[in-house]
Amino acid sequence: EAGVAQSPRYKIIEKRQSVAFWCNPISGHATLYWYQQILGQGPKLLIQFQNNGVVDDSQLPKDRFSAERLKGVDSTLKIQPAKLEDSAVYLCASSSIAGTKYEQYFGPGTRLTVT
Amino acid sequence: KQEVTQIPAALSVPEGENLVLNCSFTDSAIYNLQWFRQDPGKGLTSLLLIQSSQREQTSGRLNASLDKSSGRSTLYIAASQPGDSATYLCAVRLYGNKLVFGAGTILRVKS
Repeated sequence: EAGVAQSPRYKIIEKRQSVAFWCNPISGHATLYWYQQILGQGPKLLIQFQNNGVVDDSQLPKDRFSAERLKGVDSTLKIQPAKLEDSAVYLCASSSIAGTKYEQYFGPGTRLTVT
Repeated sequence: KQEVTQIPAALSVPEGENLVLNCSFTDSAIYNLQWFRQDPGKGLTSLLLIQSSQREQTSGRLNASLDKSSGRSTLYIAASQPGDSATYLCAVRLYGNKLVFGAGTILRVKS
């Protein structure tokens, strides 16, 4: 079974530029999550999708961050305009409604550096 | 608001030593607790998941315990190896399958 795929793996941009990240979850997983992990901290949930609907985006800075999940499969996370404090690793995870424990499976992450 | 704290923030031990990583959480209303491993440039790998009704889980040289009432969990690593060097993250699972993570413990096992 293929894991969660993310691209790009690394991105360097200047502040005030825009950037987009892509995530492809495990096939059949209805729930998709985006996390932000700042250096030295644990991952923080930004947004949670159930199929193509948003379940929780309470910690998403909506003035600059946006996310969508196309047809309930792939997802993109966009930042526009970027700030220095957005430098972090952006992790995507997915989980299945069916099965036990609703375990989340994580992708390798995208490391963003804003200069 | 649920908060998760991990102690110590960093740990360096010689190969072969047994060690304990600590995790505490402020609200006992959790579904389960999960320990992850994170290697540089890679995603999170699940190590152990303990349901709220369980006291401990074991996998190979790893043993995790949970005391829900006191808001504490420990991860015990026996006979540590250099390959165990990584960041270890503790996370509690809340309603809606939301994970709240601690900041992690950076472990270095010296050969």
